[in-house]
Parts: sequence; structure tokens; C-alpha cells
Amino acid sequence: AQSVAQPEDQVNVAEGNPLTVKCTYSVSGNPYLFWYVQYPNRGLQFLLKYITGDNLVKGSYGFEAEFNKSQTSFHLKKPSALVSDSALYFCAVRDPPGGYNKLIFGAGTRLAVHP
Amino acid sequence: EAGVAQSPRYKIIEKRQSVAFWCNPISGHATLYWYQQILGQGPKLLIQFQNNGVVDDSQLPKDRFSAERLKGVDSTLKIQPAKLEDSAVYLCASSYSRTSGGQETQYFGPGTRLLVL
Repeated sequence: AQSVAQPEDQVNVAEGNPLTVKCTYSVSGNPYLFWYVQYPNRGLQFLLKYITGDNLVKGSYGFEAEFNKSQTSFHLKKPSALVSDSALYFCAVRDPPGGYNKLIFGAGTRLAVHP
Repeated sequence: EAGVAQSPRYKIIEKRQSVAFWCNPISGHATLYWYQQILGQGPKLLIQFQNNGVVDDSQLPKDRFSAERLKGVDSTLKIQPAKLEDSAVYLCASSYSRTSGGQETQYFGPGTRLLVL
């Protein structure tokens, strides 16, 4: 079965510094990977996805993610963090690859950006 | 373009009572999903509709949960009777996908926060 793991419950970063939120995956076949962000009392907002092609995927709000097949990782990155980036971030994988688009989510990583 | 709409936003009930949540997906989206998000966890799929039909309800507690999608548009998720462990945020999402194998993004509504006392 497909799965993702987010090894960090929380990531703390100073405003203006680069940020990384980690995600590793376990899939059979080619992975379809997603990042979503959740602000307090709001639903999940789509940030970006990797289906195929370029390993560096660019998304909303200046975020990008790097797909690394050898390390089975899909880490979320941003060159310069903003206080407004503070939120809960979820990595997800599609299950099964050829099926009806069901998503399996990680447990989430809380990002705290300090002024 | 209007997003996914859900109501109510918050609900407090006592255990053994019943509750219903409503979802209106993005216009033209054929696939609708209900997820349960327990505090501190990622969302877990409860049920998935493709138009009117159910394509995945493997994690739906069918003894107490039920869902329907009327005319392939709106959907209602019901819990009867509720248990304490049903306290969670219930998220509705939709995607354009009309067949299996699609790569379309799922778009989520704001969720309904349920507290069972």
C-alpha cells in the first residue's frame, strides 16, 4: 500500500531564512505526490504536485518541492520564509496509481516562522 | 470560480445523537470525497463518489455513517448514533476526474468541526 511519512512534527525557522519540510514516500510503481497547506479553521489548500517530468516542481506562494527517486523523498522548500507561511503542511500520495485518485496523507508538519 | 462549500462550520452534539453535514462541490466536478481529520492526524478518506456512484467506502464505519450524493452534485454525510471518537473535522473535496487514472487535483472545502460530548 502507498504511504507517506513526515518525520518532523514541527519545524521552526526565522523569517527570511530558507525552509524545508520533509516528506518520504513508499509506493509501488510511479508516485503521484502532493503538498497541501492548512491554515487555522480552514480547509486544505493545494500547493503543488508531482506526476512526472522535471524533478523540481514549482507551486503556489513561492513554494517548490524536489522529487528524489533514489531517496524516495519529496521535500517542500521555500528560499525565504514569511511569518504568514506559519501553518500545517501535509504531504500526500495518490493510491493506487491507476485508480480513482484517493489520497493518503501524512500526519502533518507544523511550520512556525518567527519574526 | 466558487470553491467547495460545506455547512455547518461547527456542530456540538451529545453522544448517541445524530448529525448531518452538507457539501456542494465545485461546479462540473464529477468526483466528490469525504475525509475525516482527527486532531493531530492527516485527513483519512471515508467515502468517494464518482458522479452518483460510490467507488470507495472501505474506511467508512457503515454501522453508523452513511452518505449519499444527490443527482451527482450535492452530498450529505450522516452519523447516527455519534460516538465520542467521532469528534473531528469532516472535510469535503472535489475533483474533475471523470474516469479512473486521472491526475486532477482535489480541492477542499473549509470543513465541519464536530464535537461529540
